[in-house]
Amino acid sequence: SAVISQKPSRDICQRGTSLTIQCQVDSQVTMMFWYRQQPGQSLTLIATANQGSEATYESGFVIDKFPISRPNLTFSTLTVSNMSPEDSSIYLCSVEGNGYTFGSGTRLTVV
Amino acid sequence: RKEVEQDPGPFNVPEGATVAFNCTYSNSASQSFFWYRQDCRKEPKLLMSVYSSGNEDGRFTAQLNRASQYISLLIRDSKLSDSATYLCVVTDRGSTLGRLYFGRGTQLTVWP
Repeated sequence: SAVISQKPSRDICQRGTSLTIQCQVDSQVTMMFWYRQQPGQSLTLIATANQGSEATYESGFVIDKFPISRPNLTFSTLTVSNMSPEDSSIYLCSVEGNGYTFGSGTRLTVV
Repeated sequence: RKEVEQDPGPFNVPEGATVAFNCTYSNSASQSFFWYRQDCRKEPKLLMSVYSSGNEDGRFTAQLNRASQYISLLIRDSKLSDSATYLCVVTDRGSTLGRLYFGRGTQLTVWP
């Protein structure tokens, strides 16, 4: 199965700022998925990123808040914009392969 | 109603015990089913896929009942290292391009 390198692993950010999370996959994949896991909750899909087209966002998530880039078949970024404490969460990327493989996650704390 | 519902737990069992987790899903068109394991502060990792015929991997047995829209995971001879949160996951189509739906997870603690 694919190996995903996700960074940063954690960050503490001031409200109103933005953070960009990167995921690098060791193989080419058609689709990459971005999830959020809030404290004590399960994973919620934010968007699906296809190379060469705009990401598809789930209900409750918008591009202005969570812009995504997918410049090639092995890389994607998710930006959390204009952050507030409610954005404090773990963010994970995922790709399909032998089930689904996840990056190690980015633990974001907004203060 | 949530797409995937799981036993809330937590389950606290002694080493060597047998423990079973249940999960129900609401979409009868769901096609692929998985159990994931998530350790504290770690990403989810695939434990096993779940097939209609049921499948076993060592001490772990997964069952699927499509008629009842019910999935189970049985862990025999529990080990301390089995302590984790177990996530029930379903997709709404075949694995290719499928959207994953996660249960909230069931927390298991195995004590010596």
